[in-house]
Amino acid sequence: EVQLVESGGGLVQPGRSLKLSCVASGFTFSNYGMNWIRQAPGKGLEWVAYISSGSSYIYYAETVKGRFTISRDNAKNTLYLQMTSLRSEDTALYYCARQRDTYYGYIDYWGQGVMVTVSS
Amino acid sequence: DIQMTQSPASLSASLGETVTIECLASEDIYDILAWYQQKPGKSPQLLIYDASSLHTGVPSRFSGSGSGTQYSLKINSLQPEDFASYYCQNGLSAPLTFGSGTKLEIK
Repeated sequence: EVQLVESGGGLVQPGRSLKLSCVASGFTFSNYGMNWIRQAPGKGLEWVAYISSGSSYIYYAETVKGRFTISRDNAKNTLYLQMTSLRSEDTALYYCARQRDTYYGYIDYWGQGVMVTVSS
Repeated sequence: DIQMTQSPASLSASLGETVTIECLASEDIYDILAWYQQKPGKSPQLLIYDASSLHTGVPSRFSGSGSGTQYSLKINSLQPEDFASYYCQNGLSAPLTFGSGTKLEIK
């Protein structure tokens, strides 16, 4: 059974940093591209970042470019999102999400999400 | 970036009815479109990919169609478990943009 378990969320002040982790199990993690997707309270889905299976390709939403860094450790089956210079508008539930195939961005598995609240 | 315009924002329907949700892409996405269902307090679930292919385990009352810039999700014979929010998504290229969502409620 595929499982994606996020951790590392919490309450943080504006301008501070936070690092999210996502531990994957039930599939060969190193074969799949991975994404972070977020959802602000009561709002829709917003894609945040993508990393290819071997970390060769990385893309970011313009809203987080230069502030967030996606990375992965295939030996540990873990995906990361380092978030710096956090803003109130970054408050959201952050999902770790597996991309179904290499070329197209279909998400076939989602974690349960981890909440990040940016507030003073 | 490819913009995804989804309509309606909300929809009220009765059990057994058929409903359709529309999604308009700002440019041709060559059928590289997905639909997701999200129930309150839960993670989204993939329903349809490649505009019309049903994901594993999804009931056949769900169907997708469209091409170019215009796509739709149809749900036949609404069941209680279908009342949820639905999102379309451009899967062609980063950024992977989503529609703003459609909340389907029981009439």
